[in-house]
Amino acid sequence: NAGVTQTPKFQVLKTGQSMTLQCAQDMNHNSMYWYRQDPGMGLRLIYYSASEGTTDKGEVPNGYNVSRLNKREFSLRLESAAPSQTSVYFCASCRTWTSGNTIYFGEGSWLTVV
Amino acid sequence: GQSLEQPSEVTAVEGAIVQINCTYQTSGFYGLSWYQQHDGGAPTFLSYNALDGLEETGRFSSFLSRSDSYGYLLLQELQMKDSASYFCAVDEYIFGTGTRLKVLA
Repeated sequence: NAGVTQTPKFQVLKTGQSMTLQCAQDMNHNSMYWYRQDPGMGLRLIYYSASEGTTDKGEVPNGYNVSRLNKREFSLRLESAAPSQTSVYFCASCRTWTSGNTIYFGEGSWLTVV
Repeated sequence: GQSLEQPSEVTAVEGAIVQINCTYQTSGFYGLSWYQQHDGGAPTFLSYNALDGLEETGRFSSFLSRSDSYGYLLLQELQMKDSASYFCAVDEYIFGTGTRLKVLA
């Protein structure tokens, strides 16, 4: 049961460098999400994709771009990393059922920008 | 703006019952969810309320009152492994500030 898989798990970047966080889900869900979680805080939505071919901004999209490559994969790109982007990033997908929705999260990616 | 407020920390003893509250300032949402997160781990789904009232799932129950803009998670027969952070969420878009639960032996 792979569920939601994201890579890398840990990454250190220098200010100004770029990188892409990869995410894939094997549950055939339409919706996928990227969140960030800062120490001692809740999750904040960066971008989401309601279906293959569509993406929308969340609460904190500045400094990020996303690509919904296909139904399985949803990547997050930092074009020019800044120390303020040091955070834990979670990819997620959502199962929609008659009584509501359930979010399944990846294990997280710890990103440090120095 | 939209926000969900939770107490920052709750402490209880093993075997007790604890209630974690979530008050919100948002409207037009489908449901209120609850997630558990252990330190260093990913959030995992606990419970969901689409309608007002109580939903029970084993030792965990969740309640929603849209008229009061309020919900809560009830944990019964607390175990040490329940020590974690708990988040409420409105649909998939807005998460609460989180409540750290400490269970004491």
